[in-house]
Amino acid sequence: AQSVTQPDIHITVSEGASLELRCNYSYGATPYLFWYVQSPGQGLQLLLKYFSGDTLVQGIKGFEAEFKRSQSSFNLRKPSVHWSDAAEYFCAVGAGNTGFQKLVFGTGTRLLVSP
Amino acid sequence: DVKVTQSSRYLVKRTGEKVFLECVQDMDHENMFWYRQDPGLGLRLIYFSYDVKMKEKGDIPEGYSVSREKKERFSLILESASTNQTSMYLCASSSQRGEQFFGPGTRLTVL
Repeated sequence: AQSVTQPDIHITVSEGASLELRCNYSYGATPYLFWYVQSPGQGLQLLLKYFSGDTLVQGIKGFEAEFKRSQSSFNLRKPSVHWSDAAEYFCAVGAGNTGFQKLVFGTGTRLLVSP
Repeated sequence: DVKVTQSSRYLVKRTGEKVFLECVQDMDHENMFWYRQDPGLGLRLIYFSYDVKMKEKGDIPEGYSVSREKKERFSLILESASTNQTSMYLCASSSQRGEQFFGPGTRLTVL
């Protein structure tokens, strides 16, 4: 069965510092991978996705993620964090056939940004 | 832009009531999903639908049912609400590629 691990429940980063959020997945085939962000009281917004091709994926709001098959990882990065990036971040792996895909989500990482 | 709307942002119901949560998407997506979100547990799939009148159980279907009479609308039904169903409920839709778009969520409190 597919699974996603986000080992960090909370992370605090100073404004302007770099950020890396960890995500490890378990899936037998080539995965479809996603990062979503959720601001308080809101739904989830897609930051970026990996289906195939270039393993470094660019997303919205200056985020990027790198797919490393050997490490079963899809870590999210941002070179300089802004206070507005404080939110909860979810990694997800696509599971299922190509007709439709269920997503399996990690438990999330809450990002706090200090002044 | 894809838009997924949910009928209520906040809802308060009493134990034993029948509760309907409505979700509508405007992108002609085949697939629709209902999740519940609880602190420390992430998102858990309740039910999904890959076509009109088709539905599949997710990971935690107990106590819930769904209805999809039209392609754009997917309803979640709590037949007899209980306090352990107090949660945030998120609806999503997707095309064949699997990228899911989420609604703003309904925070349900069952007293």
